[in-house]
Amino acid sequence: DGGITQSPKYLFRKEGQNVTLSCEQNLNHDAMYWYRQDPGQGLRLIYYSQIVNDFQKGDIAEGYSVSREKKESFPLTVTSAQKNPTAFYLCASSRTDYGYTFGSGTRLTVV
Amino acid sequence: GEDVEQSLFLSVREGDSSVINCTYTDSSSTYLYWYKQEPGAGLQLLTYIFSNMDMKQDQRLTVLLNKKDKHLSLRIADTQTGDSAIYFCAESIRDYKLSFGAGTTVTVRA
Repeated sequence: DGGITQSPKYLFRKEGQNVTLSCEQNLNHDAMYWYRQDPGQGLRLIYYSQIVNDFQKGDIAEGYSVSREKKESFPLTVTSAQKNPTAFYLCASSRTDYGYTFGSGTRLTVV
Repeated sequence: GEDVEQSLFLSVREGDSSVINCTYTDSSSTYLYWYKQEPGAGLQLLTYIFSNMDMKQDQRLTVLLNKKDKHLSLRIADTQTGDSAIYFCAESIRDYKLSFGAGTTVTVRA
């Protein structure tokens, strides 16, 4: 079955540490997205990519980085520059204008 | 601008109908969407409506679109306990991106 897989489900980060969240899809979708979800604030776009080797900043890109070396994969790195990284992170993919398919999310906690 | 607004909470009795409302701002949106999120999970696409339609029905779900007022609603008939979740309204904006509302938390009480 086609789908989008995020890993890990839970992730703990120490102060000053970089961590990478994985997102893989086998839907043959061109576009992929990363969102951050905080309680009561809905979804905020971090980065998105419409084709391989190209990506754009979203509304809250500071402290995050991404790469898109393969169509199937769009990993997100939360760097030490992100001062408040504790949140639920959602990855999504889409083909043109037909809505998104979401992964099951990664909950990141700073310890 | 891109700003989707929803009320934050809705409480409904089991068996009654739920109506979740949403307003959006981008009159050029091609599609409007409703997503459902259960606790600790990702978002699941419930239904969508094309901007030239007024209504779409899909089993217990009815979507109404008032393009003049930029108002979208989702009606869930015969609401069940499994319908308790957060519901997000979203509009398509430029470059096939979606802009999401803050989500409406629906609580179904017995």
